[in-house]
Amino acid sequence: EVQLVESGGGLVQPGGSLRLSCAASGFTFSSNWMHWVRQAPGKGLVWVSRINSDGSTTNYADSVKGRFTISRDNAKNTLYLQMNSLRAEDTAVYYCARAYRGFDDWGQGTLVTVSS
Amino acid sequence: QSALTQPASMSGSPGQSITISCTGTSSDVGGYNYVSWYQQHQQHPGKAPKLVIYEVTNRPSGVSYRFSGSKSGNTASLTISGLQAEDEADYYCSSYTSSSTWVFGGGTKLTVL
Repeated sequence: EVQLVESGGGLVQPGGSLRLSCAASGFTFSSNWMHWVRQAPGKGLVWVSRINSDGSTTNYADSVKGRFTISRDNAKNTLYLQMNSLRAEDTAVYYCARAYRGFDDWGQGTLVTVSS
Repeated sequence: QSALTQPASMSGSPGQSITISCTGTSSDVGGYNYVSWYQQHQQHPGKAPKLVIYEVTNRPSGVSYRFSGSKSGNTASLTISGLQAEDEADYYCSSYTSSSTWVFGGGTKLTVL
């Protein structure tokens, strides 16, 4: 059974940083593209970033480009999202997702709140 | 990276069919067969979306045959036939884009009357 467990969320001040983690199990992590998707309270899903299987290719939404960095450690079966220069509008539940045919499997999400 | 356009809400009675549209551009929906649909039962932290249609028309194993997808030009559609109470949820479309990114629709809240 595929399991994705996010962690690292919390309350951070504007301009601060946070690193999210996503621990993966139940599939061959090193073979899959992985994504981060976020959902602000009461709002819809928004794609954030993706990384290919060996970490050599990354893409970002314009809204986070230059501030967020996606990475992975295939030896630890873990996906990361380093978030810098956080803004109030980054407040959301952040989901990691395994990509195979679409976004096939999702974690339960971790809540990031940016507020002073 | 503008969001794909979906109706904000739709409703239907049990047994009826409904079709949710998802309109993009030739740079996303119209240009690729990488359109997928997601069901999210409760939109609050902890309720993860579920893939119900991938690559425009394909249904993952375990998803009811009542869910089907199609595409014409820049508009993709999700049809749910024989509506059931359990289908009440938020539905999101998603597409790959020419910028090597992905984009979601704004979501459609489906109410089963």
